Amino acid sequence: ETGVTQSPTHLIKTRGQQVTLRCSSQSGHNTVSWYQQALGQGPQFIFQYYREEENGRGNFPPRFSGLQFPNYSSELNVNALELDDSALYLCASSLTSGAGSTEAFFGQGTRLTVV
Amino acid sequence: GDSVTQMEGPVTLSEEAFLTINCTYTATGYPSLFWYVQYPGEGLQLLLKATKADDKGSNKGFEATYRKETTSFHLEKGSVQVSDSAVYFCALPFYNQGGKLIFGQGTELSVKP
Repeated sequence: ETGVTQSPTHLIKTRGQQVTLRCSSQSGHNTVSWYQQALGQGPQFIFQYYREEENGRGNFPPRFSGLQFPNYSSELNVNALELDDSALYLCASSLTSGAGSTEAFFGQGTRLTVV
Repeated sequence: GDSVTQMEGPVTLSEEAFLTINCTYTATGYPSLFWYVQYPGEGLQLLLKATKADDKGSNKGFEATYRKETTSFHLEKGSVQVSDSAVYFCALPFYNQGGKLIFGQGTELSVKP
């Protein structure tokens, strides 16, 4: 059973640029959630994807967008990067069914630095 | 709205000391509750969970009991080890959906030999 994998592990971008982060969900999971974790803080929910559609969104602006693919992997895109976007971005996968959702399993994260 | 509040850190203990990290929550209904652990430079790992009131979750010597009367889910361990040094997060799901989580601010634990 493969766990949640994220790429790249580290990334440095310049303010105003765009970035794409990638996540492969755990085997058997069909739902991917993305979180932003600023230094010294708890993770903040960005959005969730289920059946290739956004299934809930936290308090993040539209320049944060995502995709989910038929194999359940996902991308997080951030446009017009700002310095405050510097953070650890975490992907979590879970299984959603008629009975609800299982607990989330997290990847190692992508450390994004905006300069 | 729903929220989670954890005791502030950092917490510094000597090896074999008793650990308590407080967590209280505000939520509609009786959601599942989770503790996650983050080791330095890593992502989050699920440490333990409880799905209903009075349930006790346990793993790796850690325990937490879901107390609906005090809306608490305090994490405890009888004898900590240096390898337990990490940041601990209490969390609850939005609308009882496991993938959408509200986290506390985290409590950093440092265990000295």
